[in-house]
Amino acid sequence: DIQMTQSPSTLSASVGDRVTITCRASQSISSWLAWYQQKPGKAPKLLIYKASSLQNGVPSRFSGSGSGTEFTLTISSLQPDDFATYCCQQYNDYPLTFGGGTKVEIK
Amino acid sequence: EVQLVESGGGLVQPGGSLRLSCAASGFTFSNYWMHWVRQAPGKGLVWVSRINSDESRTTYADSVRGRFTISRDNAKNTLYLQLNSLRAEDTAVYYCARVVSGSYSFFDSWGQGTLVTVSS
Repeated sequence: DIQMTQSPSTLSASVGDRVTITCRASQSISSWLAWYQQKPGKAPKLLIYKASSLQNGVPSRFSGSGSGTEFTLTISSLQPDDFATYCCQQYNDYPLTFGGGTKVEIK
Repeated sequence: EVQLVESGGGLVQPGGSLRLSCAASGFTFSNYWMHWVRQAPGKGLVWVSRINSDESRTTYADSVRGRFTISRDNAKNTLYLQLNSLRAEDTAVYYCARVVSGSYSFFDSWGQGTLVTVSS
């Protein structure tokens, strides 16, 4: 199975901060990576697919980059609605696997 | 608007069974591969199973293979997950989710989830 490792597990930031979350795959997954946002008690929401493609309706302050085994999700200017947990998912191979999540907290 | 609504969760004893349903609307259900993903309390997301659009192909995570069965009824726009021989470690919120295609298995739509609790 492909293991997905996210860092950090928790991140404290302020409104307006630039935030970067890293996701590493245990083997190359090309660009077959998605990012999701999840708020407590809610379903995940797709933000980014194919490592860097922004899902329709997602604000442009979200961006993704990377290929192979190392990927990043960047929020250019953190907004109050962005405090949530973010996780990555590889879809290069089955079983599909997710990272453990990064919780973005208010500093 | 795409909608996925799960139901059927609840409290069940170890070794028991449940059938989860996911009612789909707002899109042509029969055209899409569908998946189940679960999330134990306070934990991360774990993929469970998938089914192709005409029900001819199914895939399972090792942890549930032989105990869970995914199926669908395209006439009723409904996805199912039969859970048998349940264990405490199956306790989780179960989400149904739609993927863009069989080759691009990222989830563009999710249901709200249904909680399954396995406990005596």
